[in-house]
Amino acid sequence: ETGVTQSPTHLIKTRGQQVTLRCSSQSGHNTVSWYQQALGQGPQFIFQYYREEENGRGNFPPRFSGLQFPNYSSELNVNALELDDSALYLCASSGGGLAGGPTDTQYFGPGTRLTVL
Amino acid sequence: AQSVTQLGSHVSVSEGALVLLRCNYSSSVPPYLFWYVQYPNQGLQLLLKYTSAATLVKGINGFEAEFKKSETSFHLTKPSAHMSDAAEYFCAVSGGSNYKLTFGKGTLLTVNP
Repeated sequence: ETGVTQSPTHLIKTRGQQVTLRCSSQSGHNTVSWYQQALGQGPQFIFQYYREEENGRGNFPPRFSGLQFPNYSSELNVNALELDDSALYLCASSGGGLAGGPTDTQYFGPGTRLTVL
Repeated sequence: AQSVTQLGSHVSVSEGALVLLRCNYSSSVPPYLFWYVQYPNQGLQLLLKYTSAATLVKGINGFEAEFKKSETSFHLTKPSAHMSDAAEYFCAVSGGSNYKLTFGKGTLLTVNP
C-alpha cells in the first residue's frame, strides 16, 4: 500500500510568483485535505477536496486554489506569493466512502517546504 | 467554533520517566480528538483518536489518552519515555459536520539520557 506522497520536497520562490504543489493520495482514499504549517505553529486547514469538488475551505484568500483529479491526486496553487506564505504545506488523504467525516483518520504526506524570498 | 490549547510548548523528560502532554479543547458540539506526532522533516503520524467510544484510548508506541468531558481535556501519557519519542506532538479536534482538523500549536518533547 502506497502512502501519501508530495512533490516537490523543497521550493524557493520570489514574492509575486505563482507555485503549484502536488499530492498523491493513499490508495483507496477519495478525499484530500491541504494544510499550511508555519514555523513553530500547528497546521492550519486550507481546503478539502472530495471526488474532484471542493468540500470546504478554511480562512485563506482566493489566491489559494486547488484541484483534484479523477485518480484523487491533488494540486495546491498559490498565486501572487507573499513572504508570509513561507511554510510547510501538508497534504492529507482520507476516506473510502463518504466525504471527509469528522472521525476519519487523515494520513499525512511529508510536506513541501516553500520559501518565499 | 472549535479550538485546542496545548499547555507547554516544550516538555523535557528523562529516559524512563513518565510523559504527560496536556491538551484542552473547546467545542460547541461533541468533539472528536486526535493526537499526532511529527518527527523532524516528516509529516504527521496519528498516535490515537477519540471518537466517543471508550474514554481511555490506547494508541501506538505505548501512548494513551483519556477524554475528560468535565475538564475539557485529552491529555497524552506514556509510562516510560524512550529516546525515540523525541518529536513534536499535536493535539487536534474535529466534530459535528466539521470534518477539518483544528490543531494546537504543538508540544516539543525532549528526552534526556
